[in-house]
Amino acid sequence: GESVGLHLPTLSVQEGDNSIINCAYSNSASDYFIWYKQESGKGPQFIIDIRSNMDKRQGQRVTVLLNKTVKHLSLQIAATQPGDSAVYFCAEKENYGQNFVFGPGTRLSVLP
Amino acid sequence: SAVISQKPSRDICQRGTSLTIQCQVDSQVTMMFWYRQQPGQSLTLIATANQGSEATYESGFVIDKFPISRPNLTFSTLTVSNMSPEDSSIYLCSARGLAANTGELFFGEGSRLTVL
Repeated sequence: GESVGLHLPTLSVQEGDNSIINCAYSNSASDYFIWYKQESGKGPQFIIDIRSNMDKRQGQRVTVLLNKTVKHLSLQIAATQPGDSAVYFCAEKENYGQNFVFGPGTRLSVLP
Repeated sequence: SAVISQKPSRDICQRGTSLTIQCQVDSQVTMMFWYRQQPGQSLTLIATANQGSEATYESGFVIDKFPISRPNLTFSTLTVSNMSPEDSSIYLCSARGLAANTGELFFGEGSRLTVL
């Protein structure tokens, strides 16, 4: 079955530095990917998405990169702020499927 | 985007009892889902809530343990039946928009259940 995983379970960065959170997926049929941010005690919050016909997509301070050749997804956060501290999940959806499969999550800690 | 409200937000329950979680979306959505998030873990899909018909359960989840209703396009309930401490988790309602094969998945704030 399809699976989504992450290279780093925890990540600590200095405030102001850039953060890179990685995600590997195994289902080559996946065509839609989302990054979520989950703060303590809250539900997952949509950050940014990307479709398989794109390699890169930018939002406000965030960039998602998709490498379909190696089935790898990354989330880049520019100028990381204390408010970025959270757990980040990647999720994938198979083409014509309805369900999303979530990765194990990476906890991002922003150091002052 | 859709705003998803869940209640209760948290509860402490006794072993052997059942609890129903309600989920209300502020707009009509095509797809509604229920996820479980065990402490320190990722999200696992329990089932897809189908409007007017039986929910579609994922492997490892059964209707007798997690009965689900979806009487209309904006409301769903999940019941956790005959609870044990292993059911202590966050239960999350989620929804996708009218364009069923596109569009992001939105989440409620979750219902945190502790079973004693």
